[in-house]
Amino acid sequence: SAVISQKPSRDICQRGTSLTIQCQVDSQVTMMFWYRQQPGQSLTLIATANQGSEATYESGFVIDKFPISRPNLTFSTLTVSNMSPEDSSIYLCSVRGDEKLFFGSGTQLSVL
Amino acid sequence: AQSVAQPEDQVNVAEGNPLTVKCTYSVSGNPYLFWYVQYPNRGLQFLLKYITGDNLVKGSYGFEAEFNKSQTSFHLKKPSALVSDSALYFCAVRDGGGGFKTIFGAGTRLFVKA
Repeated sequence: SAVISQKPSRDICQRGTSLTIQCQVDSQVTMMFWYRQQPGQSLTLIATANQGSEATYESGFVIDKFPISRPNLTFSTLTVSNMSPEDSSIYLCSVRGDEKLFFGSGTQLSVL
Repeated sequence: AQSVAQPEDQVNVAEGNPLTVKCTYSVSGNPYLFWYVQYPNRGLQFLLKYITGDNLVKGSYGFEAEFNKSQTSFHLKKPSALVSDSALYFCAVRDGGGGFKTIFGAGTRLFVKA
C-alpha cells in the first residue's frame, strides 16, 4: 500500500491568483496522477506526472493552466494558475500500487 | 478509448435488504475493473478489483462484484445493506493491455434507510 500526504487540505482563493498543491508519497513511484472532482461530479484525470519528463495532459487540460512538477520519485506539485470560480473543485493526487489506485485526502479549492 | 457508465445517479435501499449498484464499461483491451467508495468528508477508498480469474470478486466491508464479459458489466453487490454503507460509489476501468490511465464513472449515490 501507499500513504499519500496532500496539502493544503483546503483553501479559499481570490480570482486571478494561483495555488500550488503538494503531494508526498511514502514510497517511490513511477507515475503520479492528478484528478479533479468538481462539485457533485466524478473524477476527471488532469495529467500524469512522470519523474524526469514533462507531464502528460488529458484533453481539455493545458500546461499553462495546470503546471506540474515532479522533481523526484516521491513528490509532485500541481499548480492551478490564474484561477476563476470554475476552478472550484477537489483536486486529488493518486499513485498506483498492486494494480489499484491510492489517493491523497484531497485539496478542496474554493475560488471567489 | 475506455469509458464507464453508471446508469443510476442514486440507489435507495432499506437496511438489511440486498443492494446492487450497476456499472458497464468499454475498453479495447483486457478490462481491469475497480470499485471505489467515497464517504462524506473522507477520501476515496478502494473496495475491490477484477484483473483476471474468478468472475466473482469479493472486497472490503462485505461487498462483491461480478464481472460479466458478454454484457460488459461489473455490478457491485452486497447481500445485506447497512446504514453505514451510505456513500458515493465509483466504478472505474483501466485498459489492461498496457494502459496506464484509470477512468471513472459518474458515480452512484447509495442511500440506505434504517
